[in-house]
Amino acid sequence: QVQLVESGGGVVQPGRSLRLSCAASGFTFSNYAFHWVRQAPGKGLEWVTFITYDGGNQFYADSVKGRFTISRDDSKNTLYLQMSNLGIEDTAVYYCARESGSGTFDNWFDPWGQGTLVTVSS
Amino acid sequence: DIQMTQSPASLSAFVGDRVTITCRASQSIRGYLNWYQQKPGKAPKLLIYAASSLHSGVPSRFSGGGSGTDFTLTISSLQLEDFATYYCQQSYRMWTFGQGTKVEIK
Repeated sequence: QVQLVESGGGVVQPGRSLRLSCAASGFTFSNYAFHWVRQAPGKGLEWVTFITYDGGNQFYADSVKGRFTISRDDSKNTLYLQMSNLGIEDTAVYYCARESGSGTFDNWFDPWGQGTLVTVSS
Repeated sequence: DIQMTQSPASLSAFVGDRVTITCRASQSIRGYLNWYQQKPGKAPKLLIYAASSLHSGVPSRFSGGGSGTDFTLTISSLQLEDFATYYCQQSYRMWTFGQGTKVEIK
């Protein structure tokens, strides 16, 4: 079945880096665009970043621009999120999500992975 | 940036009640509005896409409506498994979520 599985979360000190992975299965990975969405403890959902199906374009939320990098390896069916210069405000569950839909505006997130927790703490 | 505002932030309802959640965009997003359900400790799940299209497998008691700046999610007869937090999301200009509406048992 269609599945996304995140990994790589953990406890990291402020200012350090961490790389998250999202392994996909059950569909043709290279045909789809992907997103990362995060959720701070007890808070709502925050869109973080997006990558096109071919990796040619990426967009970032202002809160992570210049610190986070989204990438993909189609040979491994895996999406990545490289996070650097982490701050306490980056503490959250990070979800990867596949973009489904039919166009530039007509799109939605389905499915989502189960999430991986990143805790930034000294 | 487009801001999404949901109301109410939380509500209490009985099983069997009709429940409506509202989502307002800070500018027109035409019909590019999606709804998700999230239960504690779980990932969000897609309920409604393109304002009013029911995602596969989602019960027909869920419905969505609206266009432009004002949208609604309605649950026609609330069931025990519907107690959760609901988020709207726009996909017209980048992507933004509403702050969520928590539906609790009365």
